Formats: sequence, structure tokens, C-alpha cells
Amino acid sequence: DTAVSQTPKYLVTQMGNDKSIKCEQNLGHDTMYWYKQDSKKFLKIMFSYNNKELIINETVPNRFSPKSPDKAHLNLHINSLELGDSAVYFCASSQDIGDPEAFFGQGTRLTVV
Amino acid sequence: AQSVTQPDIHITVSEGASLELRCNYSYGATPYLFWYVQSPGQGLQLLLKYFSGDTLVQGIKGFEAEFKRSQSSFNLRKPSVHWSDAAEYFCAVGVRYGGSQGNLIFGKGTKLSVKP
Repeated sequence: DTAVSQTPKYLVTQMGNDKSIKCEQNLGHDTMYWYKQDSKKFLKIMFSYNNKELIINETVPNRFSPKSPDKAHLNLHINSLELGDSAVYFCASSQDIGDPEAFFGQGTRLTVV
Repeated sequence: AQSVTQPDIHITVSEGASLELRCNYSYGATPYLFWYVQSPGQGLQLLLKYFSGDTLVQGIKGFEAEFKRSQSSFNLRKPSVHWSDAAEYFCAVGVRYGGSQGNLIFGKGTKLSVKP
């Protein structure tokens, strides 16, 4: 029973394409996040949502658009993909907005060619 | 500004030897501190966390960490390393904005290699 699940696990696509990564959590948490791990393994917050409301947007290009249809789902849509978008994207969730303890998904390795 | 420093990029230890991974943080308030492990090709797994109370915290897989406020440190230790412990280890501090928002700030990670 996976707590935080992301699909797909791997995504290879060409520059200029638009792609989406899906995330679902079955923990009953209110808050969900997207983190980006770059080629040097550095992890950084991109977005957080609380009960479908955007809370944190950390200087991410507006080609990245998160969407939360309900509090159990947080999808990441990326337009006009660039080579520099290649990274591992992690979805995570936490009990509520004030709780920093996060449970992470397995990650999606995005490769832009 | 909040930050986390892991001074060691790569550490190699022999199987059975003890391990200590260093972590220093910079945060104005009482920190929430975490250690996560990432095995090759895998997601992030929480090893242990410190919120308050006893400064020595026990985690999964035989790991422990000690919070030292005076040194702004939260070092991870294991008395005897197993080959399966080879992975990337991340220290993180949980931050709050305006009393409500929260997210994690990560260190750059320490890669642990284990030699037989």
C-alpha cells in the first residue's frame, strides 16, 4: 500500500514538449509538495499546496504549473520542456501546512533530449 | 537565512565499522531536524527526526542522531555499518514561514560507500 505514489517513474521526452507527472497520497494529509533534485543530487522545494490551495511557489519558471484537483492529488505540468528541466522530481505530503515532516514518493526521473 | 551544511560529500567506511555523518544547520528558531536516506534509484526514506525532548533520537535501521544546540549540529551515527547502508544521506531542517507554512531545506547530501 504505497503512501505517496508518482507516475511515471521515468519520463524521456524531447525539448519543446509538454508533459505531466501525477502524484497521489493515501495518507489523508492536507499538504502536498513538489521537490526537484538536480544532477548534483541537491533537493529544493518547488511548490506546496494545502487543501488544494497554492502556498509556496519558489521562483519556479511559469512553464511549471501544479494542479491539485483534490487534497489527495497534486500533479505537475511542464510546458515547453528544456534540457535544464532534466532532473528527478519528488512529490511529498505532510499532515498539515505547519508540519514539516514529509513523506516522499519514489520520484520521477525526467530526461529531456 | 536557513541552511543546512553537510561537510562531507563522500565517505567510505569498511563494513562493520562505525559511522558518523555530519550535519550543521542555520535556523533562528528551534529547529525540526531530519535525516533521510536515498538508495540508488529510490525515493527518500525518513531515518529519524528531532522535534523536541531527548536530544539523542533513535531511528530505523540502527541509526541514531544527536541534536547539539550549542554546535548547531545533528550528526547521524551507526555503530556498525552494513553493506546495504551504502546510499546517499540527506540532512534537512523543517522551516516555517509566518507561523504556518512549512517545508524542508536539505543539505547537499553525503554519499556513503561501504567496502567489504
